This record gives sequence, structure tokens and C-alpha cells, in this order.
Amino acid sequence: DAKTTQPNSMESNEEEPVHLPCNHSTISGTDYIHWYRQLPSQGPEYVIHGLTSNVNNRMASLAIAEDRKSSTLILHRATLRDAAVYYCILRIDFGNEKLTFGTGTRLTIIP
Amino acid sequence: EPEVTQTPSHQVTQMGQEVILRCVPISNHLYFYWYRQILGQKVEFLVSFYNNEISEKSEIFDDQFSVERPDGSNFTLKIRSTKLEDSAMYFCASRGQGAPPQHFGDGTRLSIL
Repeated sequence: DAKTTQPNSMESNEEEPVHLPCNHSTISGTDYIHWYRQLPSQGPEYVIHGLTSNVNNRMASLAIAEDRKSSTLILHRATLRDAAVYYCILRIDFGNEKLTFGTGTRLTIIP
Repeated sequence: EPEVTQTPSHQVTQMGQEVILRCVPISNHLYFYWYRQILGQKVEFLVSFYNNEISEKSEIFDDQFSVERPDGSNFTLKIRSTKLEDSAMYFCASRGQGAPPQHFGDGTRLSIL
């Protein structure tokens, strides 16, 4: 399985943008880049995913490097509720492919 | 918004006893999963289930574990003879046809005494 590398932790001030990086230098052409997050005492929650182009949804934006060896999850205006562990996961999107979680980035939001 | 529900939220069981963890996936979903997370560790895949059979299972999912979809709405994980090391949060997830995101429940905390 292609691996991802994320910083262990990051801090951001409330109401400011947050850029969460992920390196995936061994990504294959069929791997989608998925982001999930896990709030305290909750199950993982889907955030966003993409293949090659940048993606936006109501929660976040995903910026994918042209060579696809890295990506950045962007929270445009962090709130205290965004404090969570964020996981960058590579996944082939067909059938019932499992999710392989790493250690993720623990995001702390400073009021 | 539809959600995956898991019961109970906390289960305390004596070592060696059987335990059944229950999940109600989102109603039109076809793919079902169990994961677990030992305190302070990563979320680990246990098993995936589709079309009434196991699609994939991890090394953790040994003969003591089984899954069932008994009635078309519930999805259960059974551990036949629990061990201390089975203590963890167990998360159920489901996924729809052609829709990549897996939707997770809030988990069952299993404590083995």
C-alpha cells in the first residue's frame, strides 16, 4: 500500500485558515486521496477526496500537487469544532476497499 | 442526515464471555465494515462485508470473531470468548453503491475485565 506522511500535530488560531499537508510520494495512478477526521470521542468522519484536480465542498478544500505526490487539506476558517485528528488516506475507489488509517495530524485550535 | 448507529455505547464484559456489538447502517448502503481502535492507537480495519458475505478480513479478525447481517437492517460483530486485549473502541461503517465515503458510527467502547 502506498503510504502517507503527515505532521504529528499542528496548531491554528480560531477563525484563521488552516493548511494540513500530506506527502504521498509513492502514490499510484489509481489512488484517490481521501481525508477523514476524528473528533474527540467520535468515529472517523469523511471530509473530502480527490484524484487529480482540486476539490471543494462545504467542509474544506483539497489542493493536489500537479505530480500528485503531495496534497493539502484547507480549512478556510477554523472553528473550535474543527479540533480533531485529520487522516490523509490513499484508496483505490472500487468495490469495498478498506480504509487504512495512519496516525494523522492532531489539530489544535487556539481560541 | 442519515447516520450509522451503534449500540451499546459502552459494554463491560468478563474475560471469556461472548459479546455482540450491534450496528444499524444507513438504510440504502450495501457495504459494511468493522474497525477497532485500542486506546491511544490507530484505527484498525477488521472486516468488510458485502452481499451477505465477508469480502476481506484482517489478521486481527480470527476465529473468535464473526459478523452477521441477520435481518437486513442490523449488522453485528460477535466475539466468542473475549480476551483482555479485545478492549477497544469498535466502529461500524457503511458505504453506498458508487459513493466512496464510508460513514462511521460513534462506536462501542468494549471493556474486558
